[in-house]
Amino acid sequence: DGGITQSPKYLFRKEGQNVTLSCEQNLNHDAMYWYRQDPGQGLRLIYYSQIVNDFQKGDIAEGYSVSREKKESFPLTVTSAQKNPTAFYLCASSPSIESYEQYFGPGTRLTVT
Amino acid sequence: GNSVTQMEGPVTLSEEAFLTINCTYTATGYPSLFWYVQYPGEGLQLLLKATKADDKGSNKGFEATYRKETTSFHLEKGSVQVSDSAVYFCALNTNAGKSTFGDGTTLTVKP
Repeated sequence: DGGITQSPKYLFRKEGQNVTLSCEQNLNHDAMYWYRQDPGQGLRLIYYSQIVNDFQKGDIAEGYSVSREKKESFPLTVTSAQKNPTAFYLCASSPSIESYEQYFGPGTRLTVT
Repeated sequence: GNSVTQMEGPVTLSEEAFLTINCTYTATGYPSLFWYVQYPGEGLQLLLKATKADDKGSNKGFEATYRKETTSFHLEKGSVQVSDSAVYFCALNTNAGKSTFGDGTTLTVKP
């Protein structure tokens, strides 16, 4: 089946460590996105990529980094510079720059202690 | 900038009750409007959408009409079920690739 996979579902790290969250899609979508969701709040855009080898900062990019070396993959690294990294992270994709709806993965819950 | 304001929750209804979740927006240009649903521990799923004024989006018994004059996109369902319990997000997009989401409204339906 086509879709977006995120792994792992739950991730635990010690403070001060970098951690990379995986996002893979086999929908042949050009655009991919990373969001952060905190309890009782909406989604906040971290980074997005409209095409391979290109990405832009979203509203809360500080403390995060991404790469887009392959069309199907858009990993997110949460660095030690991110002050409050514990959150639910959602990856999404859309068919092209002209498309408006987004398709979401199941999410990764990151806990940093 | 763009913004989406949703009715605050949580909303608790009995099975077969009528549902309305209010959503209003501010945006430059001509946005497309969406409702997404999120079940516990999962990602968001597109529920319905409308891309121009007076369009009605519908899916699984849910409906929402794009009202440009009131800048609203209220979600409605005539008879809710326990399985509709979830968090509902209203969203808009004026530039492909950057959606703006509301804070979400938690719906609980009791048998």
